[in-house]
Amino acid sequence: AQSVTQPDIHITVSEGASLELRCNYSYGATPYLFWYVQSPGQGLQLLLKYFSGDTLVQGIKGFEAEFKRSQSSFNLRKPSVHWSDAAEYFCAVGFGNEKLTFGTGTRLTIIP
Amino acid sequence: DGGITQSPKYLFRKEGQNVTLSCEQNLNHDAMYWYRQDPGQGLRLIYYSQIVNDFQKGDIAEGYSVSREKKESFPLTVTSAQKNPTAFYLCASTVAGDQPQHFGDGTRLSIL
Repeated sequence: AQSVTQPDIHITVSEGASLELRCNYSYGATPYLFWYVQSPGQGLQLLLKYFSGDTLVQGIKGFEAEFKRSQSSFNLRKPSVHWSDAAEYFCAVGFGNEKLTFGTGTRLTIIP
Repeated sequence: DGGITQSPKYLFRKEGQNVTLSCEQNLNHDAMYWYRQDPGQGLRLIYYSQIVNDFQKGDIAEGYSVSREKKESFPLTVTSAQKNPTAFYLCASTVAGDQPQHFGDGTRLSIL
């Protein structure tokens, strides 16, 4: 069965520092890959997606992610975080309009 | 503006009572989904529907029911058979055969 692992439950970074959130997946083939962000009490907002092609994907809010087939990973990065980036981040995988499988999320705290 | 509207934002259920969560979308999306979110567990799929008058069980369908009589509406009923209904419920939709899924702002269900 497919699965998604986000190994970091909680990450704290200083404002202005770089960020990398990890995501590994287990799937029969290369699925579609997504990163979503969730503010407290809100729904999920799509940050970026990978379907095929260039393995470095640019998203909204200055985020990017790199797909590495050999490592079955799709890590999210941002060169310099802002206090407004504090939220929970979810990696998800899926195919076509099949259901998405989500990771358990990484909560990001920003310190001044 | 196009989007997904979930109502109510907060809902309370008494023991033995059924409650219905509303999800409406004006994105003209074919597929709709219901997820349950619990702290530390990510999102788990309850039911999904890829076309009107058809729906499939997700990973945790027991104690829930749905209907899809109209393309824009996908209500979720939490029945008395669901013994642990306290959670945050998220509705999503997407164009058939395509991703990503767009999410509503959620309904928080609590037990009185």
